Amino acid sequence: GQNIDQPTEMTATEGAIVQINCTYQTSGFNGLFWYQQHAGEAPTFLSYNVLDGLEEKGRFSSFLSRSKGYSYLLLKELQMKDSASYLCAVDPGLNDYKLSFGAGTTVTVRA
Amino acid sequence: GAGVSQSPSNKVTEKGKDVELRCDPISGHTALYWYRQSLGQGLEFLIYFQGNSAPDKSGLPSDRFSAERTGGSVSTLTIQRTQQEDSAVYLCASSSRRNTIYFGEGSWLTVV
Repeated sequence: GQNIDQPTEMTATEGAIVQINCTYQTSGFNGLFWYQQHAGEAPTFLSYNVLDGLEEKGRFSSFLSRSKGYSYLLLKELQMKDSASYLCAVDPGLNDYKLSFGAGTTVTVRA
Repeated sequence: GAGVSQSPSNKVTEKGKDVELRCDPISGHTALYWYRQSLGQGLEFLIYFQGNSAPDKSGLPSDRFSAERTGGSVSTLTIQRTQQEDSAVYLCASSSRRNTIYFGEGSWLTVV
C-alpha cells in the first residue's frame, strides 16, 4: 500500500520560515509533487522532485531524499497569502500514473 | 480559459439521484485525472485517461461511479444513485507531461 505522512497543522509568523515535512512509504517511486491549495480553490503546482537534493524557486524550496523516503517544502519570508494547505504527492512511476496524496498540512501565517 | 474547467462548481442533490460532473482539460493535454477530496482527507484517485489507451479505473469506489472521455478531450464523471458518503469535492486534472499536473477548481457535491 501507499503511506504518506505530513503534519496536520503548522503556525508561523509573517516573515519567518516554515518547513513542512513529508515522509512516504510507497510501492513505487518516480518523483514527489508539492501543491498549494487555498480554501475552496484548486491545488496549484509548486514543485516536482525526482533527484535527491534541494531545488529552490524563489521563496519556496523543496528537498528530496529518496533513500530516506523523505521530502520537505521550505517556505521563506512568509506572507499572509501563504496561509493555505500544502499537499505532498508521490508519483509511483513507470506505467502507474496514480498520484498518492498526503492529507495535507494547513499552514496559518500570523501577523 | 487557459486552465482546467469544471462544472458545475456546486451541486446539491437528493440521495438516490444521479449526477454528472464535467471536466474540460487544458487544450492539448492528453492525460486526464479525476480525484475526490473529502473534508480533512487527502486526494483520492478515481480514474485516469491517457490518449486512446484504456482508462485506469482502479480507483472508482463502486459500480455506481463511471467516467468517459469523448474525443480525447472533455470528460464526464457520473455517479448513479448518489449516497451521502459521496459528498466531496471532485477534482479534475490534466497534463501534457508527467512532471506537471494542473487541477481544476473542483465540483463540490453535497448529497442530502
